[in-house]
Amino acid sequence: SQTIHQWPATLVQPVGSPLSLECTVEGTSNPNLYWYRQAAGRGLQLLFYSVGIGQISSEVPQNLSASRPQDRQFILSSKKLLLSDSGFYLCAWTRGSDTQYFGPGTRLTVL
Amino acid sequence: GEDVEQSLFLSVREGDSSVINCTYTDSSSTYLYWYKQEPGAGLQLLTYIFSNMDMKQDQRLTVLLNKKDKHLSLRIADTQTGDSAIYFCAESNHAGTALIFGKGTTLSVSS
Repeated sequence: SQTIHQWPATLVQPVGSPLSLECTVEGTSNPNLYWYRQAAGRGLQLLFYSVGIGQISSEVPQNLSASRPQDRQFILSSKKLLLSDSGFYLCAWTRGSDTQYFGPGTRLTVL
Repeated sequence: GEDVEQSLFLSVREGDSSVINCTYTDSSSTYLYWYKQEPGAGLQLLTYIFSNMDMKQDQRLTVLLNKKDKHLSLRIADTQTGDSAIYFCAESNHAGTALIFGKGTTLSVSS
C-alpha cells in the first residue's frame, strides 16, 4: 500500500532563516506530487506541483521554491523566511487519477 | 476562473443529520470530492462522486450532485462527536492537474 510522509511535523523558525520541508511517498512510482499551504482560517492554496523528476510548476509567485530530486521525494524550500510564510504545509500525491492523498502536514511558525 | 464555495460553519447536535453544501464553477470536473481534516492533521479522502452520478451513498454518508446548479452536498446521518472536523469540497481544475478546494466547513457536534 502507498504511504506519504512529511518531515518535520512542526517547525519554529526566525524570520530570514532558510527552510527545507521534505515529503516522500512509498509504494508507488512516478506519482504527481503537490505542495499546498493552509493558512489559519483559510482554505488550501496550491503552491507547486510536479509530474516528474526535475519538473516543477508554480501556481503563485512567492518566497518559496520546490524541487524533486528523486521520483518519490518532493522538497519545499526558502532562502529567507517571511512572517507570512507561517502555515500548515501539506504534501499530496496522485497517480493516474484526480484523487489526491495527503500527508500528515508540517506546522510552520515563523517568528 | 475556477472557484469552490462553502459555508464556513455548521453546528449540530449528536444524533442529528448534518448537511454540508458546496457550489463549484468548473463543469468539466470528472470527479468531485469531499475531504475531512481533523485538528492538526492532514486531509483524509472521505468520499467522491463521478460527475455523471446524481447520488452516492456510503454508510452514513450521502453525496448529492446537481450538475445543472453546480451544487454538491454531503449528508452525514446520525452525526457523532467524532465527526467534528473541517470538511473540504474539491473539484478538478480545468487542466486536470490539481484540485481546487473550498475554504472548508467547520462542523461542530455537541452532545
